[in-house]
Order: sequence, then C-alpha cells, then structure tokens
Amino acid sequence: AQSVAQPEDQVNVAEGNPLTVKCTYSVSGNPYLFWYVQYPNRGLQFLLKYITGDNLVKGSYGFEAEFNKSQTSFHLKKPSALVSDSALYFCAVRRPSGGSYIPTFGRGTSLIVHP
Amino acid sequence: DVKVTQSSRYLVKRTGEKVFLECVQDMDHENMFWYRQDPGLGLRLIYFSYDVKMKEKGDIPEGYSVSREKKERFSLILESASTNQTSMYLCASSLGGSSYNEQFFGPGTRLTVL
Repeated sequence: AQSVAQPEDQVNVAEGNPLTVKCTYSVSGNPYLFWYVQYPNRGLQFLLKYITGDNLVKGSYGFEAEFNKSQTSFHLKKPSALVSDSALYFCAVRRPSGGSYIPTFGRGTSLIVHP
Repeated sequence: DVKVTQSSRYLVKRTGEKVFLECVQDMDHENMFWYRQDPGLGLRLIYFSYDVKMKEKGDIPEGYSVSREKKERFSLILESASTNQTSMYLCASSLGGSSYNEQFFGPGTRLTVL
C-alpha cells in the first residue's frame, strides 16, 4: 500500500536559518512526489514535484526538495527561512487507482518561522 | 490565471439537511477531486472524477455522493448532514493522462453542521 509520512507535526526555525520539512514515502514502482503549501484560510498551492532525473528539485518561493531513493525520502528545504514561509506543508505521492492516479497526502507539518 | 472556485467559503447547516458543495474549474482539466481536511488527519480523499459522469470512491466516501455532468463542474452532496461531517472541504483539479500532473486547489468551504 502506498503511504506518505511527515514525522513532525511542527517545525520551528529562526528567520534566516535553513529549514527542513521531512517526508518519507512507501510506494511500489517509481514514485511521483509533490510538495504543497497552505497559508491560513487558503487552499493548497503547488510548490514542486519530483518525476525523474536530478534528485534535487527546485520550486517556487526558493524552496527545493531532495529525492533520496535509498532512504525513501523527499525532504523539503530552504537555505534561508522567512517569516512569511510560516504555513502548513503537505507532502503527497501519486498512486494508481482504477486506471487513474490519485494522490495520497501526508498529515501536514506546520512550519513556524520566528523573527 | 488558472482558477478553481468553490461556491461558499463558509456554510452552516442543520443535522439531516441535504447539502450541496459546488466546485468549478476553468482550466479544462479532466480530473477533479473532493477532499476533507481535519486537524491532525491531513487531507483525505472523498471522491474523484477522471471524466464527465465518471467517478471513483476515495478513502472516505461514506455519507457522500458526487455529480459531474459537465467537465468544469464537480459537486459534492451530503445526503443527510451529520455533525461528524463538520470539516473543511477542498476541491482540486488536475490534467488527466498522466500521474505526475500537479493539482490546483480551490479556497475551501468550511462546513459546520449543527
């Protein structure tokens, strides 16, 4: 069965410091992995995705994620956090279902960036 | 600018009422999805549709039904609302034909069932 785990409910980081939001996955076959961000009272916005190729994927707002097949991880990173990065972050993996592919989401990680 | 819109941001209903949540996308996407979001549980898929009049159950379909009569519109129906259906409901769409297309989300409908 396909699954996604975000082991941290909350991550706290000081502004200007690097941040990491963790995600591990379990999927048969090649994984298609995604990160989304949700700002308060808003829907989710797509940040980046891994399909194939380079293990380091760059996305919106200066975020990047590193795909690690041996560790089945897809951690989200940013070199220097901003207070405005404070939001809820979701990792997702696409899984096959009835001829189509639907995403499975992690439970989300709340990122709090302190001034 | 691509858009997914939902009919209401906030909705208050009484137990036993029939509730309709509407979602419209303007991107000509084949796939559409309904999720509910609850604290600590993340997003859980209720139903999705990969074409007009086509639907598949997600992880938590009980108590819900859906309708997709036109490509751009996907409706979620609570036949008889219950208090445990109080939640944030999110609609999303994506291109079809591939498993690596990202989803576009609406702003959500916060439903309270009294």
